[in-house]
Amino acid sequence: AQTVTQSQPEMSVQEAETVTLSCTYDTSENNYYLFWYKQPPSRQMILVIRQEAYKQQNATENRFSVNFQKAAKSFSLKISDSQLGDTAMYFCAFWGAGGTSYGKLTFGQGTILTVHP
Amino acid sequence: DAGVIQSPRHEVTEMGQEVTLRCKPISGHNSLFWYRQTMMRGLELLIYFNNNVPIDDSGMPEDRFSAKMPNASFSTLKIQPSEPRDSAVYFCASSPDRLYEQYFGPGTRLTVT
Repeated sequence: AQTVTQSQPEMSVQEAETVTLSCTYDTSENNYYLFWYKQPPSRQMILVIRQEAYKQQNATENRFSVNFQKAAKSFSLKISDSQLGDTAMYFCAFWGAGGTSYGKLTFGQGTILTVHP
Repeated sequence: DAGVIQSPRHEVTEMGQEVTLRCKPISGHNSLFWYRQTMMRGLELLIYFNNNVPIDDSGMPEDRFSAKMPNASFSTLKIQPSEPRDSAVYFCASSPDRLYEQYFGPGTRLTVT
């Protein structure tokens, strides 16, 4: 079974600064996808960024980028120029393209990020 | 475009009562997922459907839980009888052919007293 671990229960950052959220995962699969979801106080789950395991290039979406280290099974999220609206719970998630995990998103425990003015 | 629609947004019920949560997926999506979020267990997949057929219900906690998808635009998650430990936020998500691209609804916060 796949596991996703977020070792930082809470993080804080000053507005306009950069913050990195950590995520590690464990899998025996070779073809999979990794995601970061944002859950603001409204509790809506919002997809922030996606990384395909077969791609070596790190995904980037505006101020959000990832550092994907496949061999180390690490998938961190960097938020640049943090904004107050980035305050939320962030979840790392794994989706396997085969085996018992096919069709399932496995989530980490989440990291609460607070952006201070 | 309308996203995934869930109703009700909040539900408060007494132990032993039947609870029905509803979901309308995004039009054209052929996969639908039900998740539960609690402080203790985080986000966990309960069941998912592909083309209205249940594919994996291994996450359904027990026989008190049942889910149906009678057509491509509607699904229900029913709990009968409900218990206080069922209190959680229940999310519905849908996806197009590529199962990994899941779009979540706003969730239903269920409180069982």
